[in-house]
Amino acid sequence: AQSVTQPDIHITVSEGASLELRCNYSYGATPYLFWYVQSPGQGLQLLLKYFSGDTLVQGIKGFEAEFKRSQSSFNLRKPSVHWSDAAEYFCAVGAPSNFGNEKLTFGTGTRLTIIP
Amino acid sequence: EAGVAQSPRYKIIEKRQSVAFWCNPISGHATLYWYQQILGQGPKLLIQFQNNGVVDDSQLPKDRFSAERLKGVDSTLKIQPAKLEDSAVYLCASSLGGPRQGSGNTIYFGEGSWLTVV
Repeated sequence: AQSVTQPDIHITVSEGASLELRCNYSYGATPYLFWYVQSPGQGLQLLLKYFSGDTLVQGIKGFEAEFKRSQSSFNLRKPSVHWSDAAEYFCAVGAPSNFGNEKLTFGTGTRLTIIP
Repeated sequence: EAGVAQSPRYKIIEKRQSVAFWCNPISGHATLYWYQQILGQGPKLLIQFQNNGVVDDSQLPKDRFSAERLKGVDSTLKIQPAKLEDSAVYLCASSLGGPRQGSGNTIYFGEGSWLTVV
């Protein structure tokens, strides 16, 4: 069975500073990996996803993530954070289903706080 | 394009009462999911539908939870009787379904239905 670990429960970053959120996964085959963001009172919005090919994936809002098979990691990065990036971030691993759709297993999330 | 619609957004009930949540997926999406997100945790899959058939309900507490998607479009998730530990956000999500498209099918989430059991 697949699993996801997000080691950091809460991270505080100054506005304009760089950001890296950690994600480690466990999956028996080639994983499908996702990062979602959840603002307070909102649903989940997809930031980016990795299925195959280039291990550096670009997403929305200036985010990127790098898949490292040797480290079983899929860390999320942003070179310069904005106050609007404050939210909860979830990493997820997808297991293909019989219908070609990924059944997602989520990590526990990392809460990002931005200070001026 | 309209997103995944859910109602009600917020519900407070007493334990042992019943509650129902409704979801309308994105038009044309064959696959529908219900996730439970307890405060401080990541979402957990409760049930997955492909059209009006159940694909996976292995984590659905069937003694109190039920879900249906009768016409392959809207879905209802019911809890009866509710327990205190059912307090959570219930997220509905949908995706196109069918053979995986190029870079994979994206799963779109609604804003969730917030349940408090007192």
